[in-house]
Amino acid sequence: AQTVTQSQPEMSVQEAETVTLSCTYDTSESDYYLFWYKQPPSRQMILVIRQEAYKQQNATENRFSVNFQKAAKSFSLKISDSQLGDAAMYFCAYRSSYSGGGADGLTFGKGTHLIIQP
Amino acid sequence: KAGVTQTPRYLIKTRGQQVTLSCSPISGHRSVSWYQQTPGQGLQFLFEYFSETQRNKGNFPGRFSGRQFSNSRSEMNVSTLELGDSALYLCASSLEVRESGELFFGEGSRLTVL
Repeated sequence: AQTVTQSQPEMSVQEAETVTLSCTYDTSESDYYLFWYKQPPSRQMILVIRQEAYKQQNATENRFSVNFQKAAKSFSLKISDSQLGDAAMYFCAYRSSYSGGGADGLTFGKGTHLIIQP
Repeated sequence: KAGVTQTPRYLIKTRGQQVTLSCSPISGHRSVSWYQQTPGQGLQFLFEYFSETQRNKGNFPGRFSGRQFSNSRSEMNVSTLELGDSALYLCASSLEVRESGELFFGEGSRLTVL
């Protein structure tokens, strides 16, 4: 079974600064997808960024980028120019590309609570 | 376009009772999945439905069940409630069942079991 580990329960950053959230995962599969989801206090989870394991190029979405290290099974999220609206729980998630049969869906880490200090 | 709608938003039940939660996906989305979120266990996958068929199921006891209707709306049921079932239950929808696909989540149904 796959596992996702987020070693930072809480992170704090000054507004306009850059912060990196860590995520490591364990899998024996070679093809999979990785995601970062954001859950603001209102509780609605929103996709921040996704990465296909077969792509070596790191995904970027505006101020959000990832550092994907497949061999190290690491998938960190970098938030540049942090804004007050970035304050939320951030979840790293894994999904196998081999769908169907047995447990599937997203496997989430325990999350990192990101605090933005004005 | 309306988002994923979950009802009820909050509910309180007692041990031994059963509960049914409802999820209306985004219009046009055919896949619905359910997740349980607790402080201790975090987010755990319950099941996934596509075109009224359960496609995948997580590691939960048989007390947890679900179904999907022809209009893609989904319900999940928990029978013989236990204290440990207290959680936020999140529903998510997507256009198709694609492993790379983005899930659109609802705000959740907060279940408290006394």
